Amino acid sequence: NAGVTQTPKFQVLKTGQSMTLQCAQDMNHEYMSWYRQDPGMGLRLIHYSVGAGITDQGEVPNGYNVSRSTTEDFPLRLLSAAPSQTSVYFCASSYRGGTYEQYFGPGTRLTVT
Amino acid sequence: AQKITQTQPGMFVQEKEAVTLDCTYDTSDPSYGLFWYKQPSSGEMIFLIYQGSYDQQNATEGRYSLNFQKARKSANLVISASQLGDSAMYFCAMREGGTGNQFYFGTGTSLTVIP
Repeated sequence: NAGVTQTPKFQVLKTGQSMTLQCAQDMNHEYMSWYRQDPGMGLRLIHYSVGAGITDQGEVPNGYNVSRSTTEDFPLRLLSAAPSQTSVYFCASSYRGGTYEQYFGPGTRLTVT
Repeated sequence: AQKITQTQPGMFVQEKEAVTLDCTYDTSDPSYGLFWYKQPSSGEMIFLIYQGSYDQQNATEGRYSLNFQKARKSANLVISASQLGDSAMYFCAMREGGTGNQFYFGTGTSLTVIP
């Protein structure tokens, strides 16, 4: 099992560019989430999904889009990158039920110049 | 109001000593789960321990234990016999019950273990 994988590991964008952060999991988890981590602010939820075809907004959704066409994949799209989106992005997945413990990917470090 | 509050930005502990990292939470949902994660300098998030709101006993996992005081809405992490490898950021998190999947994280505590 690869667990939760994220690509790319690092990315530099110019303001206004768009890109997609990829996230995939091979544990057949129903739930998947995207977080951003900024210094001194912990992790903040951007979007989450409770199953294929179902997504919802978290605490900081502006400037990001998601879709969930399969159980395995949950890409995060930056529509028009801004310097305020410079952050480390984590994808996580969990089973529906039990403790709902989240398994995290290794993160993507994004810099917007 | 903050859902999760960690009031200790940084903590130091002597190797082999015990240390308590504080976490308080705010929810009106009777069903919730509390989690602690460790983030070493390499950046990955490592799950440490879980406590459910209906669990009668405090959770323990090896050297980690969770001091769950429901009436005070606190869920402190106790690390016994600290090791140099315990130096990391520690995050407290909460998931409220229901069908959604919203987790709330605290701002973290940076723990440094001194040899």
